[in-house]
Amino acid sequence: GEDVEQSLFLSVREGDSSVINCTYTDSSSTYLYWYKQEPGAGLQLLTYIFSNMDMKQDQRLTVLLNKKDKHLSLRIADTQTGDSAIYFCAEGTGKLIFGQGTTLQVKP
Amino acid sequence: DADVTQTPRNRITKTGKRIMLECSQTKGHDRMYWYRQDPGLGLRLIYYSFDVKDINKGEISDGYSVSRQAQAKFSLSLESAIPNQTALYFCATSDRGQEEKLFFGSGTQLSVL
Repeated sequence: GEDVEQSLFLSVREGDSSVINCTYTDSSSTYLYWYKQEPGAGLQLLTYIFSNMDMKQDQRLTVLLNKKDKHLSLRIADTQTGDSAIYFCAEGTGKLIFGQGTTLQVKP
Repeated sequence: DADVTQTPRNRITKTGKRIMLECSQTKGHDRMYWYRQDPGLGLRLIYYSFDVKDINKGEISDGYSVSRQAQAKFSLSLESAIPNQTALYFCATSDRGQEEKLFFGSGTQLSVL
């Protein structure tokens, strides 16, 4: 069945770039998504990419999609302490399948 | 006011009890979903509904049931709660269309003792 895999934890220093990686199995998804969950809150859509695109940039966020390898990444430039959260990769059509979530820790 | 409201925010119950988690939305979306979140496992889909008369099982529907009472309301029931149903439960909505942008409630933390 469909599966989405992420590493569980990433620690970076404030000001550095963060790269969160994701692999998925369902190649039929039209869009792939990144959601952010702050402590005590629900998930919020951060950004998404159309499956025919290789890259999407949105201010400090860059999404890279390698469809051949079924690999999605999220790069956060100039990471701030406010970026500390859990980041979820998701894909699907009609219903979303989420990865395990990557906890991003930003050290001052 | 929140667009997707879940009640209660927290619930502690005992094994064997029947409980209901409720979700209501003011976004006018047709599609509604129930997910559970467990540490290290991410979010897993329990049930989803694309319309008032439409109910579909997700990855982990065993032990759960749902009711779509109206376009705006989607409730999740645990008929006989067990400890491994202790989790954080999220309701989400989305509009029709190719982009599956989900809007989440704040979650219900359920503990089954």
